[in-house]
Amino acid sequence: DTAVSQTPKYLVTQMGNDKSIKCEQNLGHDTMYWYKQDSKKFLKIMFSYNNKELIINETVPNRFSPKSPDKAHLNLHINSLELGDSAVYFCASSQGAGAGNQPQHFGDGTRLSIL
Amino acid sequence: AQKVTQAQTEISVVEKEDVTLDCVYETRDTTYYLFWYKQPPSGELVFLIRRNSFDEQNEISGRYSWNFQKSTSSFNFTITASQVVDSAVYFCALSEELSGYALNFGKGTSLLVTP
Repeated sequence: DTAVSQTPKYLVTQMGNDKSIKCEQNLGHDTMYWYKQDSKKFLKIMFSYNNKELIINETVPNRFSPKSPDKAHLNLHINSLELGDSAVYFCASSQGAGAGNQPQHFGDGTRLSIL
Repeated sequence: AQKVTQAQTEISVVEKEDVTLDCVYETRDTTYYLFWYKQPPSGELVFLIRRNSFDEQNEISGRYSWNFQKSTSSFNFTITASQVVDSAVYFCALSEELSGYALNFGKGTSLLVTP
């Protein structure tokens, strides 16, 4: 049973396209996150939702829009893809709004490649 | 400003050697949490340990041990008798209320264990 699952695992697309990455967790957690890992392996938070409400919105281009239809899902939609968007995107979840003391469980990542 | 510093970019050791991965953090919060994650070549992020700021007790789990020292703002990770399977990128991360409890990662230390 996969705890945090992301689809697709690989995404190859042309510059200028719009794409979505889906994330679902079956852990019963109420907080979900999106992180971006660049080519140098640096991991950085993008967004965080708690019970479908946005609680963290880092400095990310507004071409990136997260959507949380329910607390078990947090999808990431990206408009007008650019070369610099090529990265691995990780979804994560944890329990609790102030979830600092709870480990975040990560999905396996989505490798996005822009041609 | 980088809140978590992992000064060692790459470390290479021979199997059975002990190795320590350094992590220094910076925070103004009195309550915060520290984590270590492992990212093997397959790419997933694996949770290893969580520590809160009030618990300076060192921890040992098998060949892994962690040394948390608030006086030096360090949370170092030691692998005893390293094995080839320990080869991975290891990330130290800080979670604090100021950043909404998202994980603030260091840049990672790439550990290569050779036979």
